[in-house]
Amino acid sequence: SQQGEEDPQALSIQEGENATMNCSYKTSINNLQWYRQNSGRGLVHLILIRSNEREKHSGRLRVTLDTSKKSSSLLITASRAADTASYFCAPLSGGSYIPTFGRGTSLIVHP
Amino acid sequence: NAGVMQNPRHLVRRRGQEARLRCSPMKGHSHVYWYRQLPEEGLKFMVYLQKENIIDESGMPKERFSAEFPKEGPSILRIQQVVRGDSAAYFCASSQTRDIGNTIYFGEGSWLTVV
Repeated sequence: SQQGEEDPQALSIQEGENATMNCSYKTSINNLQWYRQNSGRGLVHLILIRSNEREKHSGRLRVTLDTSKKSSSLLITASRAADTASYFCAPLSGGSYIPTFGRGTSLIVHP
Repeated sequence: NAGVMQNPRHLVRRRGQEARLRCSPMKGHSHVYWYRQLPEEGLKFMVYLQKENIIDESGMPKERFSAEFPKEGPSILRIQQVVRGDSAAYFCASSQTRDIGNTIYFGEGSWLTVV
């Protein structure tokens, strides 16, 4: 299994702004998942995008996938203070069904 | 992630003692995963179990760590003779299937502090 590499490591924005975080991976995938972790809590699954999809939306979340560049991005629109958390991507390839995680992007949204 | 229950939430052990962390998966889930998170780092996979079977323990340290998921009762992660470096948050997750792309649900974690 492979883990993704999130970029930037830290992101600080004002409430109402959009937040974009990126994920790069090394080998071809079946799907890629994004998770959120609030401080002191477990991970929460946000969205899954399959390798044959280019874009997916869920509420204020928009995920894109570029398999040619082996990268994905997570966009949070109109951010809120409650979006403050760490965000992790988990690329899944081959027969792997166990998500593995990098260091994540730490997002701080200032009210 | 409601439904995956971990206890204790916080545990303090002295060096050399044993730590037992328990995880009850979501109702209807028979697949359990354990992860460890060191400060300022991401979650590292440790072990994947189904009822009464260890499926993948590629992330488990070779010594002092063991895991089980009995037919009845919660999954247990056991750490013998704890050392300071074992201080971390331990997360359990569960899923209904092992299909690629299936969602796994995390518990709130157990924070182990070794003094």
